Amino acid sequence: KNQVEQSPQSLIILEGKNCTLQCNYTVSPFSNLRWYKQDTGRGPVSLTIMTFSENTKSNGRYTATLDADTKQSSLHITASQLSDSASYICVVTGGYQKVTFGTGTKLQVIP
Amino acid sequence: DTEVTQTPKHLVMGMTNKKSLKCEQHMGHRAMYWYKQKAKKPPELMFVYSYEKLSINESVPSRFSPECPNSSLLNLHLHALQPEDSALYLCASSQAGGSQGEQFFGPGTRLTVL
Repeated sequence: KNQVEQSPQSLIILEGKNCTLQCNYTVSPFSNLRWYKQDTGRGPVSLTIMTFSENTKSNGRYTATLDADTKQSSLHITASQLSDSASYICVVTGGYQKVTFGTGTKLQVIP
Repeated sequence: DTEVTQTPKHLVMGMTNKKSLKCEQHMGHRAMYWYKQKAKKPPELMFVYSYEKLSINESVPSRFSPECPNSSLLNLHLHALQPEDSALYLCASSQAGGSQGEQFFGPGTRLTVL
């Protein structure tokens, strides 16, 4: 069964600090992995997308990594800001258009 | 225009009402999606339209009826809903029905069924 698990479930950090969110998946075959940011009550917004051959991709203060061998990805947020408070969802696309959403990590950045 | 719009933003309806959710995109995307999201849970796929034809129905109850009038519009018709159907309903679109297309999400419609 295709699964995407994220950790931690929730995280509180001080403004200005860095943090790393984890995503482990069992989706096979694998097509791509995306990280989305979702503010409460809003639709998800894409941060990064990586295919099998890519192992690092950055978008401003967000850097995603992918290890296709171990089926793990991480999202590193540098110098966090209050506006980074949101849920971060790892989404893995496999074969036949099948998209599997992760359970999400709720991040809260406090002053 | 790189936006997916959804109307209304909020909807409150009784169990005997009939209402519709609307979604629109002008990015030339040929795949459109409906998701249901409960609080603190990831979105759950309901329907996928590819080139205006229903390609995936994830065993959704018939009280939810999707419609794709043209390549830019996607509707979700609601009838005889239950209180447990209250959720955030998200629409998304992508360039193609295949797995490579990044999905762009709308802001969602917050539905409350009384």
